Amino acid sequence: EVVLTQSPGTLSLSPGDRATLSCRASQSVRSSYLAWYQQEPGQAPRLLIYAASNRAPGIPDRFSGSGSGTDFTLTISRLEPEDFAVYYCQQYDHSPRTFGQGTKVDLK
Amino acid sequence: QVQLVQSGAEVKRPGASVKVSCKASAYTFTNYYIHWVRQAPGQGLEWMGIIDPRDINTNSPHKFLGRVTMTRDTSSSTVYMELSSLTSDDTAIYYCARGRAGAKTAFDFWGQGTLVIVSS
Repeated sequence: EVVLTQSPGTLSLSPGDRATLSCRASQSVRSSYLAWYQQEPGQAPRLLIYAASNRAPGIPDRFSGSGSGTDFTLTISRLEPEDFAVYYCQQYDHSPRTFGQGTKVDLK
Repeated sequence: QVQLVQSGAEVKRPGASVKVSCKASAYTFTNYYIHWVRQAPGQGLEWMGIIDPRDINTNSPHKFLGRVTMTRDTSSSTVYMELSSLTSDDTAIYYCARGRAGAKTAFDFWGQGTLVIVSS
């Protein structure tokens, strides 16, 4: 199965900071079948980015995704208070679909 | 608006089975696969399988084969996931999520989650 490794495990930042989250795949993810989800405490995950760089409907433009092959990045340009949460990447190219272990963005 | 509404929390004994439902609304039921994802306490997300409501084809990772059964009722737009031979390691929140049928897509809507506790 494709293993997704997210780094860092925790990112301690302040509102207004830029956040850069990494997701590395153990094998190439074709056609960028890579998504990012946000999960707030006690909530279901929410789709942010699909196909590596496409924002889901209703997602603010401070969220952006990039990358291809085995290396992908989620960038939050300026953190808002509601952005402090856990972020997961997921590949949906290969079966089984797999998720990274998550990056927690918390308040510095 | 699109909704996936799941059944309520369950407490089960080790060795028992649990059946979780996921009722879809405000979209064409057969146009989307339903995936099941679980999250153990304090842990990450784990994909458990997929059902195609058009023809009830299913697929699950090897670790769940023989233990997970996914079915659907098109008359009520509801999908069911049954997990058998429960152990304490199955204590988790179970989510259903949809992805467009006939294509590789991300999961754009999720249910609210169903907590399953396995305890003697």
